[in-house]
Amino acid sequence: QKEVEQNSGPLSVPEGAIASLNCTYSDRGSQSFFWYRQYSGKSPELIMSIYSNGDKEDGRFTAQLNKASQYVSLLIRDSQPSDSATYLCAVNSGSSASKIIFGSGTRLSIRP
Amino acid sequence: DTAVSQTPKYLVTQMGNDKSIKCEQNLGHDTMYWYKQDSKKFLKIMFSYNNKELIINETVPNRFSPKSPDKAHLNLHINSLELGDSAVYFCASSRGGGTGPYNEQFFGPGTRLTVL
Repeated sequence: QKEVEQNSGPLSVPEGAIASLNCTYSDRGSQSFFWYRQYSGKSPELIMSIYSNGDKEDGRFTAQLNKASQYVSLLIRDSQPSDSATYLCAVNSGSSASKIIFGSGTRLSIRP
Repeated sequence: DTAVSQTPKYLVTQMGNDKSIKCEQNLGHDTMYWYKQDSKKFLKIMFSYNNKELIINETVPNRFSPKSPDKAHLNLHINSLELGDSAVYFCASSRGGGTGPYNEQFFGPGTRLTVL
């Protein structure tokens, strides 16, 4: 079982709709959860972080965390073409807090 | 001002050569990292230094040697380059080595290494 699992996509969503990206993780000791956006040929950019169960909203982005189910998700409201990118879920290791483990990413495509 | 910078941006070299990549951050962070992103876009940690001390050393061939002269700089030296070393190498930094916001990592632009 991979430590951090994401559906590779591509996930195609019409402009203006809600894009829903999901991630599961295997380490029950993980405490920190991140979503990064990576455009093709660019570096990962941190867009959301979440540390406690529930929802965290920032503009059009909402991160959701459920530690009991070992599940973290990212919702993007009012999707724009500029949201088309690969979204990487990242989770810290329970045994080594500094170590961040990345999922393989979900490619999101927003169609006009 | 660039927060995390890397040089060079592109590196094309022959098998067997030795090369170095340099990274600098001006965020005042204590912890720096090297990641490798392969052709399948999988991002994997290689090393991490906290205030010049090595804290993460993943299963990486010992041809790869990191060096941190101070907490704002982290370099990566690679000996005897192999075809499989071709990848994008990212440097990152975070405030500290703990959990929560201290773990939020900020990435440099990457160095695309091609070994011929």
